[in-house]
Amino acid sequence: DTAVSQTPKYLVTQMGNDKSIKCEQNLGHDTMYWYKQDSKKFLKIMFSYNNKELIINETVPNRFSPKSPDKAHLNLHINSLELGDSAVYFCASRRLAGTGELFFGEGSRLTVL
Amino acid sequence: AQTVTQSQPEMSVQEAETVTLSCTYDTSESDYYLFWYKQPPSRQMILVIRQEAYKQQNATENRFSVNFQKAAKSFSLKISDSQLGDAAMYFCAYSPSGTYKYIFGTGTRLKVLA
Repeated sequence: DTAVSQTPKYLVTQMGNDKSIKCEQNLGHDTMYWYKQDSKKFLKIMFSYNNKELIINETVPNRFSPKSPDKAHLNLHINSLELGDSAVYFCASRRLAGTGELFFGEGSRLTVL
Repeated sequence: AQTVTQSQPEMSVQEAETVTLSCTYDTSESDYYLFWYKQPPSRQMILVIRQEAYKQQNATENRFSVNFQKAAKSFSLKISDSQLGDAAMYFCAYSPSGTYKYIFGTGTRLKVLA
């Protein structure tokens, strides 16, 4: 069983469309993250949730809206996609009181045409 | 602001040789974790090694070891007996204990030459 799974792994879409990426972890972790990795490989934190509560909300356009229906799931919805949104989006999870290790999903590569 | 700096965008090492990747960080916290993650071409992020700031002993995992200098805020990764499979992006990361912050450096691309 994959510990942190993201779907879909690849998305190709047109500018202006709306898309969602889903993330699920089966590790029993209480904290989940979304990171954006751009073409230069920079990893930038977008959001962090702890037990369904939004904890970190970095400077991200309002077009990005995370949702955590329960502590095992953290989804990312993106409205009105722009060319600059093209990137790899990583979901990750950890146990806040644990070893500190982040467990990553395989990433979702979003290409906006 | 807490930052993590990796000053080497790219490094090369001959197979079986040793290479050291640099990382410095800026913080006023006294209790925190430091990590090195590896991202091979497959894209999957994998933890290589971690260090707790309160531990003076440098962490070691097989061929991977760190040189942790708390006063200098330096955390370098040494890879011994480099193998072709070590070729990847390596990210240094910092997280203050008990917080949600988790900050990554800009990464170092390691090439291993046969």
